[in-house]
Amino acid sequence: ETGVTQSPTHLIKTRGQQVTLRCSSQSGHNTVSWYQQALGQGPQFIFQYYREEENGRGNFPPRFSGLQFPNYSSELNVNALELDDSALYLCASSPSTGGGETQYFGPGTRLLVL
Amino acid sequence: DAKTTQPPSMDCAEGRAANLPCNHSTISGNEYVYWYRQIHSQGPQYIIHGLKNNETNEMASLIITEDRKSSTLILPHATLRDTAVYYCIVRETSGSRLTFGEGTQLTVNP
Repeated sequence: ETGVTQSPTHLIKTRGQQVTLRCSSQSGHNTVSWYQQALGQGPQFIFQYYREEENGRGNFPPRFSGLQFPNYSSELNVNALELDDSALYLCASSPSTGGGETQYFGPGTRLLVL
Repeated sequence: DAKTTQPPSMDCAEGRAANLPCNHSTISGNEYVYWYRQIHSQGPQYIIHGLKNNETNEMASLIITEDRKSSTLILPHATLRDTAVYYCIVRETSGSRLTFGEGTQLTVNP
């Protein structure tokens, strides 16, 4: 158990809808990273938030957006859902940004887009 | 981040040591080697990381070659619960992201 929690655990949406996924970081961690894992592939980095600001972004379109709150929890928002957005969405927290800090992952949210 | 190469699959007998290799020939001096594993449909679990020296913790040992171009993760006494996909990742010290490859599917057999 890492202390990183995510909600919901599973979600079904239809194409074109919007979705919000939530992550609570481990106590003492101020950095949250989000990853997308399609079936049979390794996780792909979406973006990272540090002190409520985006701190690095992967190759994902602007319809993927995020927020970090003063308590360091975070949300991932995806607009205009596409079928290919079906995946396991993982968040990871770490004590600070950079410096080789280890990221600890939550259990993930499985999103199915129909 | 430097690219890593791992065998797609490996088998190991329960109770024996599992040695998982990773090549990272383009690694630079400020990049760490990280190992994570992922049991089916769960979030990746951190195992160990190192920069230059060999490292050991309660889960595993990490052996990094002197030229840092390859490393080996050692699970000293594999159990059935160690069956998972193991990812070797090279990451800059100031980097924000982990770049996952395909990993190695380790199957521990009774």
